[in-house]
Amino acid sequence: GAVVSQHPSRVICKSGTSVKIECRSLDFQATTMFWYRQFPKQSLMLMATSNEGSKATYEQGVEKDKFLINHASLTLSTLTVTSAHPEDSSFYICSARDGSGANVLTFGAGSRLTVL
Amino acid sequence: GNSVTQMEGPVTLSEEAFLTINCTYTATGYPSLFWYVQYPGEGLQLLLKATKADDKGSNKGFEATYRKETTSFHLEKGSVQVSDSAVYFCALTISSGSARQLTFGSGTQLTVLP
Repeated sequence: GAVVSQHPSRVICKSGTSVKIECRSLDFQATTMFWYRQFPKQSLMLMATSNEGSKATYEQGVEKDKFLINHASLTLSTLTVTSAHPEDSSFYICSARDGSGANVLTFGAGSRLTVL
Repeated sequence: GNSVTQMEGPVTLSEEAFLTINCTYTATGYPSLFWYVQYPGEGLQLLLKATKADDKGSNKGFEATYRKETTSFHLEKGSVQVSDSAVYFCALTISSGSARQLTFGSGTQLTVLP
């Protein structure tokens, strides 16, 4: 079946640094990828929709300059948390839609970011 | 707006026990309902779904019935196994093709003891 690889699974960084999280579709082409975040005991919240070759669409309240999303190829989307602060500590999950039209969402395993 | 409320965990059961994880929703429109499961170290996987009232989704011994009158989609399994230990997410979407409108609950951690 379709597999989405997300890396790193855990990252700890110092406040003020930037962190990049990768989301790769391993055996299918993903024209659309989605980025979510989850705070402890809260719901997964959609942050942005990433379309290959175009600018990401951000949900209301999500700072696009803070969370840079790049979807340069049909198999890779990256989320960069710039100048990270402790309040950015969260669980980030990506998902990808198979571009063949099957309209199936496949999720990555998530990335746990801790900002000290 | 749309929202999903599911019972807080963690839930700990003995093997072969009966499982219920409650899920209720509010939605503008007529949603499709889903249960996703996340096993340790893996991504969320679709477990089952129902697209209209009174539909029953089922998979791997799990069942959930779309109850419009109570706006609920409770997940049940008659006899859980250790391998069912995972986090379970209830979710809804208004548009069947749009993950933009996929709304999740907060997840329920299930641990099954041998």
